[in-house]
Amino acid sequence: SQQGEEDPQALSIQEGENATMNCSYKTSINNLQWYRQNSGRGLVHLILIRSNEREKHSGRLRVTLDTSKKSSSLLITASRAADTASYFCATVPLGAQKLVFGQGTRLTINP
Amino acid sequence: KAGVTQTPRYLIKTRGQQVTLSCSPISGHRSVSWYQQTPGQGLQFLFEYFSETQRNKGNFPGRFSGRQFSNSRSEMNVSTLELGDSALYLCASSLRESSGNTIYFGEGSWLTVV
Repeated sequence: SQQGEEDPQALSIQEGENATMNCSYKTSINNLQWYRQNSGRGLVHLILIRSNEREKHSGRLRVTLDTSKKSSSLLITASRAADTASYFCATVPLGAQKLVFGQGTRLTINP
Repeated sequence: KAGVTQTPRYLIKTRGQQVTLSCSPISGHRSVSWYQQTPGQGLQFLFEYFSETQRNKGNFPGRFSGRQFSNSRSEMNVSTLELGDSALYLCASSLRESSGNTIYFGEGSWLTVV
């Protein structure tokens, strides 16, 4: 079963706008990772945030983690058409050696 | 350096047959894990191998099996295929055990069971 829930399930915005996706999870974690998947392709790793970190940046991406609320958010600034994809958060639960994925957010950037 | 390589990329099998999928991890990576992705169940963990030993297994029937070789390459096998096994099978590798490390995925193997 999925540990994470992502919100929204689908998001459609105009190019240039910012996109925010949220992820909630259920158990204590070692770290949380965000991935992007283009239709029919593999997963591309975006960013890893450890349980003792609160915020991380990578280019136009900003990830926050609130372990007290068991939630994370991914912000993509100045969106581009090429950002159209599904975005997944995945947690590594404490003591587990596997990724537990949410159902993903389908992001569409309209030109 | 080369990423995670999976073969074949696409295959079609008949119910009752068996299939073997192959994965070559990123050079130097010793942990390989497998995931199944379907529209209904999403991404689900199958198993993980490290140094040729299965270290973790997901909630899948015994028809799903895998192994890892001394060069870290891995194979997964599905026997007695069922229609519900149609999915994208993703292999991932990381430097050490998956916990705490960035995990990199291949492009996947699309399996269709007819």
